[in-house]
Amino acid sequence: DIQMTQSPSSLSASVGDRVTITCRTSQSISTYLNWYQQKPGKAPKLLIYAASSLQSGVPSRFSGSGSGTDFTLTISSLQPEDFATYYCQQSYSTLTFGPGTKLDIK
Amino acid sequence: QVQLVQSGAEVKKPGASVKVSCKASGYTFTTYGINWVRQAPGQGLEWMGWISAYNGNTNYAQKLQGRVTMTTDTSTSTAYMEVRSLRSDDTAVFYCARDSRDSFDIWGQGTMVTVSS
Repeated sequence: DIQMTQSPSSLSASVGDRVTITCRTSQSISTYLNWYQQKPGKAPKLLIYAASSLQSGVPSRFSGSGSGTDFTLTISSLQPEDFATYYCQQSYSTLTFGPGTKLDIK
Repeated sequence: QVQLVQSGAEVKKPGASVKVSCKASGYTFTTYGINWVRQAPGQGLEWMGWISAYNGNTNYAQKLQGRVTMTTDTSTSTAYMEVRSLRSDDTAVFYCARDSRDSFDIWGQGTMVTVSS
């Protein structure tokens, strides 16, 4: 299976900050990479699919980039509702999720 | 609106089986596959498998092969996921999620399954 890492594992930031989360895969996956947001007690929500496509209804402050093995999720200006855990997921082969990045308020 | 609604929480003893349902509405059920994902308390997301709602083809995570069965009932637009020989480390929230463009665009609300003697 393809191994996935995310960095950082946790992050403290303030409203209005620009935040970047990185996801790396153990082999090239082209752009078969998705990003999800999960709040406590809730189901995950799709933010970005195919590495850089914004899911319908998701605010434009979220963006994704990358291809091959290195990917990033950027939140351009943090809002209070963005404090959550973020997961990357590869869909190139047997589906796997990254370990998650917990984003909390500084 | 497009939604997936799952069955309620379950408590099972070790060695028992559990079957979770996921009822789709607001779209043509047979057009999309359904994935199942679980999340142990305080842990990350683990993909369990996928079923085509069109023809019933399945693809299970190797770790669960032989213990999990996914099925669909197209007459009721419902997907089912059964896990047998439950162990304490199967305690988790189980989610169904619609498969779209190699991503999971619609999720059920989750079903908590507790395995305890």
